[in-house]
Amino acid sequence: DAKTTQPPSMDCAEGRAANLPCNHSTISGNEYVYWYRQIHSQGPQYIIHGLKNNETNEMASLIITEDRKSSTLILPHATLRDTAVYYCIVRVASRDYKLSFGAGTTVTVRA
Amino acid sequence: DARVTQTPRHKVTEMGQEVTMRCQPILGHNTVFWYRQTMMQGLELLAYFRNRAPLDDSGMPKDRFSAEMPDATLATLKIQPSEPRDSAVYFCASGLQGHTEAFFGQGTRLTVV
Repeated sequence: DAKTTQPPSMDCAEGRAANLPCNHSTISGNEYVYWYRQIHSQGPQYIIHGLKNNETNEMASLIITEDRKSSTLILPHATLRDTAVYYCIVRVASRDYKLSFGAGTTVTVRA
Repeated sequence: DARVTQTPRHKVTEMGQEVTMRCQPILGHNTVFWYRQTMMQGLELLAYFRNRAPLDDSGMPKDRFSAEMPDATLATLKIQPSEPRDSAVYFCASGLQGHTEAFFGQGTRLTVV
């Protein structure tokens, strides 16, 4: 599975959109981009995934560049409860899905 | 509300003792994962099962760790003998083959003194 690069930390203001970048320049054509987050003292939680089209669900939006070498997770209206470590993962969906977590981005939402 | 259940939530044990951690996957899920999380190493995949059969346990120290699924509703992770370096949070997750989302439990926080 391709590796990802994320900034180690970022702050955002409550009520504002949080834009979390992820670089995956070696991504293969059959690899998906997944996002999970881990709130303190809890297990990781699935957020969203995509292949090449932008995706949106009740939690977030995922914007993938046309060349698929990077993506952005958007939390449209960040709340204090969105403070967590966010993991960007790429993996082949057809393979038994071993999720390999990197260091992620620690997002702190401030009032 | 379907969820992955892990027991115990916390465990403190002395070095050399056997530790057993249990996981009840979501009913109907046929894939189960065991992860370990430490500050130094982050989240590491130890093993995972499909339809109760181990598919990959390459991340698990074989000399002291063992993982099993006695039945579809129970997965166990054993450490014997335990060592202080095993202190970590152990997460179990379950999912459905072909689906994209893995559901994680709340974890077992293990402290070996």
